[in-house]
Amino acid sequence: DVKVTQSSRYLVKRTGEKVFLECVQDMDHENMFWYRQDPGLGLRLIYFSYDVKMKEKGDIPEGYSVSREKKERFSLILESASTNQTSMYLCASSLAGLSGNTIYFGEGSWLTVV
Amino acid sequence: RKEVEQDPGPFNVPEGATVAFNCTYSNSASQSFFWYRQDCRKEPKLLMSVYSSGNEDGRFTAQLNRASQYISLLIRDSKLSDSATYLCVVILYSSASKIIFGSGTRLSIRP
Repeated sequence: DVKVTQSSRYLVKRTGEKVFLECVQDMDHENMFWYRQDPGLGLRLIYFSYDVKMKEKGDIPEGYSVSREKKERFSLILESASTNQTSMYLCASSLAGLSGNTIYFGEGSWLTVV
Repeated sequence: RKEVEQDPGPFNVPEGATVAFNCTYSNSASQSFFWYRQDCRKEPKLLMSVYSSGNEDGRFTAQLNRASQYISLLIRDSKLSDSATYLCVVILYSSASKIIFGSGTRLSIRP
């Protein structure tokens, strides 16, 4: 079974703190994604990466950055957390290309910024 | 207009009923379609892909109507365990591939 692991499940951070969300997948997938999910807004893509050291902005990249130094790991960084970044963050991965490839999600990281 | 639209529900139906919901998409470049299921406070998981000819998996049937640009999900003989939010997913192939998630339809099955 594909496993996408988000190491931090529940975090509470203060405004202005730097926050790291880590994601690791064990199926040698080329594509990795970071989404946030908010009530009524659905899943919104923050960043994605199709290869090591490659990254592409999604729909809402402002206030976030990412790092993909190794194929299996994709990190989301909030340089200076703000209260409007309180959300559930979902990491996902899939094989190269998108046609017909299942997207596998991690269990989510619930971030509260106070 | 959103690229992918779903009725948010909630759909509240009795156990054993048949329920169906649709998802409309606006971009004709859309090429791949899926239904995902998401339980409360859990991650989305693939329920089924949607093929042009329609496909069935047990009590679940998915249909694609390219002319009218919508996909549908039919659940027969609904179970309490079917209570969840159902997300439609559309993959676009235009200048760059793009995955678009609907906001989800909430389904609640009552005893």
